[in-house]
Amino acid sequence: DQQVKQNSPSLSVQEGRISILNCDYTNSMFDYFLWYKKYPAEGPTFLISISSIKDKNEDGRFTVFLNKSAKHLSLHIVPSQPGDSAVYFCAASSNAGKSTFGDGTTLTVKP
Amino acid sequence: DAMVIQNPRYQVTQFGKPVTLSCSQTLNHNVMYWYQQKSSQAPKLLFHYYDKDFNNEADTPDNFQSRRPNTSFCFLDIRSPGLGDAAMYLCATSRGQGVMNTEAFFGQGTRLTVV
Repeated sequence: DQQVKQNSPSLSVQEGRISILNCDYTNSMFDYFLWYKKYPAEGPTFLISISSIKDKNEDGRFTVFLNKSAKHLSLHIVPSQPGDSAVYFCAASSNAGKSTFGDGTTLTVKP
Repeated sequence: DAMVIQNPRYQVTQFGKPVTLSCSQTLNHNVMYWYQQKSSQAPKLLFHYYDKDFNNEADTPDNFQSRRPNTSFCFLDIRSPGLGDAAMYLCATSRGQGVMNTEAFFGQGTRLTVV
């Protein structure tokens, strides 16, 4: 049973618009959530994270929202740029330990 | 500057022939991880080291072994690779459990092909 799910395998948006990537989790013990970005032929790189004591964390164009009651988090990218085209992985961990990853969402930002 | 380095980037091995993948880090992190990632799937944790303490995931096949001779290096040994072991293998490091901002730093991965 997959504990972290990214139900949209792909997302396409126009440059300058908002990209919203979604992630759901089932384990209520998860208390730390991360987003990673992965370009082809490279390893994932850390993008942004959020602790369960917060409901929002912002870093430049990237904002992560956490809804604990719904066990849902989302990553907003505003404005989207062609260089944001990549695979985005959601990950969750408990007690600041090892992370469980989702399957990823491929974002394509069209010029 | 490369901080987590995996060698080789591409590895072709024969069915049943032992193969070793290597990972080194310059971050001096306590924790090192090995993940297996198959196409369009989530990276799957195989095992991790916290310093010298080895932690195996319950569903990691016995065919997969690991060694961490020192802080900087970690190896993944596949004793008898099968066709189903063809995947991207990702090495990662992090500062350690119980520490906030425990993001992982990944290497570029080794693409393993079994023929």
